[in-house]
Amino acid sequence: RKEVEQDPGPFNVPEGATVAFNCTYSNSASQSFFWYRQDCRKEPKLLMSVYSSGNEDGRFTAQLNRASQYISLLIRDSKLSDSATYLCVVNMNSGYSTLTFGKGTMLLVSP
Amino acid sequence: EAGVTQFPSHSVIEKGQTVTLRCDPISGHDNLYWYRRVMGKEIKFLLHFVKESKQDESGMPNNRFLAERTGGTYSTLKVQPAELEDSGVYFCASSQDPGDSYNEQFFGPGTRLTVL
Repeated sequence: RKEVEQDPGPFNVPEGATVAFNCTYSNSASQSFFWYRQDCRKEPKLLMSVYSSGNEDGRFTAQLNRASQYISLLIRDSKLSDSATYLCVVNMNSGYSTLTFGKGTMLLVSP
Repeated sequence: EAGVTQFPSHSVIEKGQTVTLRCDPISGHDNLYWYRRVMGKEIKFLLHFVKESKQDESGMPNNRFLAERTGGTYSTLKVQPAELEDSGVYFCASSQDPGDSYNEQFFGPGTRLTVL
């Protein structure tokens, strides 16, 4: 079983749509959780940290379910500029912040 | 403020040659990480420096890879001799205080290495 699993997509959605991505992780002792965004041939950039209470940032909502070892990202009112690969990232160490990445989910938003 | 920078952006070498990648972290960041993405796979951790010391090098694939961070500033990653399977994108990241597990890591643009 992969340490962090995501549906690779691509997810093709029209502008204005709502889209949800899911991710599961294998290590129940994982400490912290993130969604990173990566544009084609660019570096990953932090989109959101994901907390147990869930959190929202504008059109983006992230949820964490520790019991099910499941993380989600909801994007509302999709924009063309949201087209990118979304990486589910987990810190599985209790000490320093070594990140474990999923392969990413590709989102394509069309006019 | 400048972000994480990496040099070169691209490198094409032949099997058996040596390549050295460089990373300059954000000024003041004690923590420096190397990651790698090979084609079709996820980004994987290689190693972590705290200042000049190697905190965790569990992700280094084999002894053909040597990382250094002299003086706790920039870091180099040398591959000697390079093999075909070393091709990929090598990312460097830096962060401030690692005590907070939610501490953000800032990534550089990566070095795209092709071994022929």
